Amino acid sequence: DVKVTQSSRYLVKRTGEKVFLECVQDMDHENMFWYRQDPGLGLRLIYFSYDVKMKEKGDIPEGYSVSREKKERFSLILESASTNQTSMYLCASSPQGIYGYTFGSGTRLTVV
Amino acid sequence: AQSVSQHNHHVILSEAASLELGCNYSYGGTVNLFWYVQYPGQHLQLLLKYFSGDPLVKGIKGFEAEFIKSKFSFNLRKPSVQWSDTAEYFCAVKWYSNTGKLIFGQGTTLQVKP
Repeated sequence: DVKVTQSSRYLVKRTGEKVFLECVQDMDHENMFWYRQDPGLGLRLIYFSYDVKMKEKGDIPEGYSVSREKKERFSLILESASTNQTSMYLCASSPQGIYGYTFGSGTRLTVV
Repeated sequence: AQSVSQHNHHVILSEAASLELGCNYSYGGTVNLFWYVQYPGQHLQLLLKYFSGDPLVKGIKGFEAEFIKSKFSFNLRKPSVQWSDTAEYFCAVKWYSNTGKLIFGQGTTLQVKP
């Protein structure tokens, strides 16, 4: 089975801190995605990547950046955390073509 | 803009009741359709998917969904729910035109009373 591993299950950070959320997949998938999940809003796409060093903005990229230096790893960066970035962050991966995604367990980030 | 809408935000059913959760998407050409489920404290799991062919697709745990192209809908059904079906359900759509991004609906929380 494909595994998508997110490094932290829970994180608490202070306003203004730089925050790194890490995601690693073990099945050589080309595509990787970062979503945030909020009650009543479903999942919203922050950034995605189709290849190493490639990145594209999703629907809500403001306040975030990403890094993909290796195929298996996709990092989400909050340059200066704010309280409105308190959320559940989900990483996903998929192969090229018509396939569904495999999701990680999520990181619940609280910014205080 | 391409969007996905789930009509029911919170559904409460008794065990053995039938379930139907609505999902509609905006027009935008050829699509792939998915239903995901998230059990309490667990990660998102794929319930079923439609790519082409028979518009009635069967998934895991007795769930099925029907793609009605003329209505841009992909409703999820189960004839008889169980307490263990308590979860949040997400409809998701991938348009061929938008380079493979999955767009999710807002989610429906299903609570099944024993």
